Amino acid sequence: KQEVTQIPAALSVPEGENLVLNCSFTDSAIYNLQWFRQDPGKGLTSLLLIQSSQREQTSGRLNASLDKSSGRSTLYIAASQPGDSATYLCAGLNYGQNFVFGPGTRLSVLP
Amino acid sequence: DGGITQSPKYLFRKEGQNVTLSCEQNLNHDAMYWYRQDPGQGLRLIYYSQIVNDFQKGDIAEGYSVSREKKESFPLTVTSAQKNPTAFYLCASSTTDRNVEAFFGQGTRLTVV
Repeated sequence: KQEVTQIPAALSVPEGENLVLNCSFTDSAIYNLQWFRQDPGKGLTSLLLIQSSQREQTSGRLNASLDKSSGRSTLYIAASQPGDSATYLCAGLNYGQNFVFGPGTRLSVLP
Repeated sequence: DGGITQSPKYLFRKEGQNVTLSCEQNLNHDAMYWYRQDPGQGLRLIYYSQIVNDFQKGDIAEGYSVSREKKESFPLTVTSAQKNPTAFYLCASSTTDRNVEAFFGQGTRLTVV
């Protein structure tokens, strides 16, 4: 059974720092990978999608990479801001055509 | 605006009651999903459907039921057989090609009283 881990579980940093969030799958057989942001009590907002033929995606201050051979993905946040405070979740689309989620990294960016 | 609408936002259930959570999408997506989220845990798949009139059990389907009579709608019923239903429920939809992107609703928080 596919399991997903995210490291660190929580992170607190001062504003302006560059951050790296990690996601690992026990089974590297995933089609694509998606990173989400979740604010307290809210649904998930899609941040980046790395499709099966891609290795990375960028949107503004966010960059995500995927190494399919190792089943690892990294989300890089540049010049963090207090508004980036949220929980970040990664999800992989598996061969059963459903999404498997990690437990999330809770990020707090202090002004 | 295109998107996924979940209702209600908050729901309270008495012991022994069945309750139904609504999920509607106007994205013309074939696939729809229900996830449960508990504090400190990731999302766990309850049911998913890739086409009208067909659906599959996820990892934690016991005590739940769904229907998919219309492409736009995928309601979830939490039955009295679900012993610990208090949780945050999230509905999602996507296309069914391999490079799919999932989109989520705003969630329903269910509390047993």
